[in-house]
Amino acid sequence: SQTIHQWPATLVQPVGSPLSLECTVEGTSNPNLYWYRQAAGRGLQLLFYSVGIGQISSEVPQNLSASRPQDRQFILSSKKLLLSDSGFYLCAWSPSSGGARTQYFGPGTRLLVL
Amino acid sequence: QKEVEQNSGPLSVPEGAIASLNCTYSDRGSQSFFWYRQYSGKSPELIMFIYSNGDKEDGRFTAQLNKASQYVSLLIRDSQPSDSATYLCAVTPPGIYNQGGKLIFGQGTELSVKP
Repeated sequence: SQTIHQWPATLVQPVGSPLSLECTVEGTSNPNLYWYRQAAGRGLQLLFYSVGIGQISSEVPQNLSASRPQDRQFILSSKKLLLSDSGFYLCAWSPSSGGARTQYFGPGTRLLVL
Repeated sequence: QKEVEQNSGPLSVPEGAIASLNCTYSDRGSQSFFWYRQYSGKSPELIMFIYSNGDKEDGRFTAQLNKASQYVSLLIRDSQPSDSATYLCAVTPPGIYNQGGKLIFGQGTELSVKP
């Protein structure tokens, strides 16, 4: 079966500090990978998605970036965090082919920027 | 116009009742429709998906899809306090616009089941 991991689970960072969040998937090959952000009481905002190693599509211009150095590894980064970057960051994966393309979410990282 | 709309709620139902959650979408070519449940502080988990008109049942949950009306709903029978959560509707846009299998999420409906 497939498993998706995210770490860290929680993070408190000062404004202007760098960020690196990691997501890994087990039990599948060549998944599509996604980064979402959810602000408190709000819906899911798609930040980035990737259909393969080194292939990143950005949905929202901002001070965040993403990378996919390996097939089942997805990293979200920032050089300088803003207060508005606080939120719940979710990584998800879906099959790259087939019917419904269901997305499955990791446990998330709660980020607080002070 | 929002692409996927849900009533934010909260929707309050008594224990044992049927909870009805509704979702409308704007793109007539949308292909697959998903319902996720999100407990407070947790990540969304898939309840079920549907892609054909009609009903699809899984235990106490029934998804209903009406593509002509661009409407998808989720019925929860015999609601339990443990069903209290936010329910997210998600839609797959038409394939030509959906490289990478993206989903469009609604803002979610908060459901509260009272004992």
